[in-house]
Amino acid sequence: AQSVAQPEDQVNVAEGNPLTVKCTYSVSGNPYLFWYVQYPNRGLQFLLKYITGDNLVKGSYGFEAEFNKSQTSFHLKKPSALVSDSALYFCAVRDILGNTPLVFGKGTRLSVIA
Amino acid sequence: DGGITQSPKYLFRKEGQNVTLSCEQNLNHDAMYWYRQDPGQGLRLIYYSQIVNDFQKGDIAEGYSVSREKKESFPLTVTSAQKNPTAFYLCASSTKADRGSSNQPQHFGDGTRLSIL
Repeated sequence: AQSVAQPEDQVNVAEGNPLTVKCTYSVSGNPYLFWYVQYPNRGLQFLLKYITGDNLVKGSYGFEAEFNKSQTSFHLKKPSALVSDSALYFCAVRDILGNTPLVFGKGTRLSVIA
Repeated sequence: DGGITQSPKYLFRKEGQNVTLSCEQNLNHDAMYWYRQDPGQGLRLIYYSQIVNDFQKGDIAEGYSVSREKKESFPLTVTSAQKNPTAFYLCASSTKADRGSSNQPQHFGDGTRLSIL
């Protein structure tokens, strides 16, 4: 079975500071990992994905994520937060074996304070 | 522009009534999905379809039904058997891998918010 945990319901960070949103996953084999962002009353927007290769993945809007196989983690990061980054962030996983839908975490609300 | 269109944006259901949420995509994707979003619970999979005329139940299919008669359309019916239908419903689509899993992201519509009158 596949699962995703986002241990923090809420993350608060000051504008200009680095931000980290945590994600850990569980799959039987190897994972495909994704990060999405959701603004109020909108659908999810894709930010970045890890398939294979370099453990540091760069995505949209200056976000990046680091894949750590030994810790089964895929934390989302940004060097300098903007107020406009305030939103709900979802991590998702899919096992590379078997053709199944993405499994999503419960989401982390990021609040960037000016 | 290619994308996913969900309609209506807001929908109200009366007691004992079935309602249908529309989802149309012009991305030429084979797979389509319906999720339910409740505060603090993330996204929960209702139904998904990987090919026309075929679909599978997700984690919370009870009280819902779907059809997939056309590649671009995947409507969701919330039946009167669904006792707690108030939620934000999201439709998504993606390419389907020839074998194994697709490494492509799912694309989402902007959702339908369903409330009980």
